[in-house]
Amino acid sequence: GDSVTQMEGPVTLSEEAFLTINCTYTATGYPSLFWYVQYPGEGLQLLLKATKADDKGSNKGFEATYRKETTSFHLEKGSVQVSDSAVYFCALSVPNNNDMRFGAGTRLTVKP
Amino acid sequence: GAVVSQHPSWVICKSGTSVKIECRSLDFQATTMFWYRQFPKQSLMLMATSNEGSKATYEQGVEKDKFLINHASLTLSTLTVTSAHPEDSSFYICSAHLAGITYEQYFGPGTRLTVT
Repeated sequence: GDSVTQMEGPVTLSEEAFLTINCTYTATGYPSLFWYVQYPGEGLQLLLKATKADDKGSNKGFEATYRKETTSFHLEKGSVQVSDSAVYFCALSVPNNNDMRFGAGTRLTVKP
Repeated sequence: GAVVSQHPSWVICKSGTSVKIECRSLDFQATTMFWYRQFPKQSLMLMATSNEGSKATYEQGVEKDKFLINHASLTLSTLTVTSAHPEDSSFYICSAHLAGITYEQYFGPGTRLTVT
């Protein structure tokens, strides 16, 4: 079945460090891919998305490129801030299927 | 646009009582809404898919008689946890997608339920 595997955390970085959180997927169809962010005590917020191969999603300095050849959607940011501390979820959905599959989540802590 | 709200944001109830959580799409109509459960430091688990005007579809292992879902209108779905027990304590999150755009879901802020 469709699934998402993401890098296990927790990840601890110093401010201004480079961030990569790996995400790979398995899907029978042509999924759309997402990164969601969850701040403490809150729900999920969409961070970025890509709906087809080679698309790059970007938002707030974060980027992820839909790589069909490697079935990956790695999240990157060149310079993290303390305010980026949160849990990040990679997810996929297959059109007309209604299902959304989430990775396990990666907790990021950025220290000043 | 595409804002989903939940009420209440947190609730404490005693064992054996029932609690209702509301999920509303504020600026769009949602024929389908989803209910997720999230345990501490874990990912989201889909509990059920709520369809307006029809019965909800529950995921395997979710007790439909315990977690009652009603989707009475295009903007409101409710989840009622009946005869709550401490093990039902969790973070419940709903989501919805825009009609015709099924690949993307918009999430509510979540409801933290604590059963004492």
